[in-house]
Amino acid sequence: GENVEQHPSTLSVQEGDSAVIKCTYSDSASNYFPWYKQELGKGPQLIIDIRSNVGEKKDQRIAVTLNKTAKHFSLHITETQPEDSAVYFCAASRRRNPSFGAGTTVTVRA
Amino acid sequence: DTGVSQDPRHKITKRGQNVTFRCDPISEHNRLYWYRQTLGQGPEFLTYFQNEAQLEKSRLLSDRFSAERPKGSFSTLEIQRTEQGDSAMYLCASSQDPGQGIYGYTFGSGTRLTVV
Repeated sequence: GENVEQHPSTLSVQEGDSAVIKCTYSDSASNYFPWYKQELGKGPQLIIDIRSNVGEKKDQRIAVTLNKTAKHFSLHITETQPEDSAVYFCAASRRRNPSFGAGTTVTVRA
Repeated sequence: DTGVSQDPRHKITKRGQNVTFRCDPISEHNRLYWYRQTLGQGPEFLTYFQNEAQLEKSRLLSDRFSAERPKGSFSTLEIQRTEQGDSAMYLCASSQDPGQGIYGYTFGSGTRLTVV
């Protein structure tokens, strides 16, 4: 099955700085890569996703890049704010259930 | 429709007891998934339904686990003879499959199970 690795496991940034989370996947046939944000006591919430026919996607302060050749994708959060503090998960799938990374705990320092 | 609902939010049970969780998906979603999440880990797939048909089960779903979605709407996940290792957050998600590939899930808030 698909194996997704996520780094770093924890990330502390100063408010206003950028945060970058990187993931690699093993199944070259994976074609859908969502990112989820999970706040304490809540289920994961989809924040952005990208398909394999696109190399980059941006939504306000959040952007995701995909390198299919290298089988890795990244989440970029610019101008971080305290409300960005949460656990972020990447996932990879191909027409079936996504496999998730282990998560990155992001702390934005005021 | 306010999203995916799960009940209960928390469940504490004694080892050996049976527990049942319920998930109400977004009404127009035909796919429903169950995941398990332990502390510090990402969600792990357990099983999923397309309408009322259970199409896939993970190896994590031992014989003590059973899931149903009798009318293609809500689903239940039952764990029999609970063990301490079953303690986790059980997440339900739903999605719409238009036949063009998978789309993003909508997760519920989960049921946190503690087996004592």
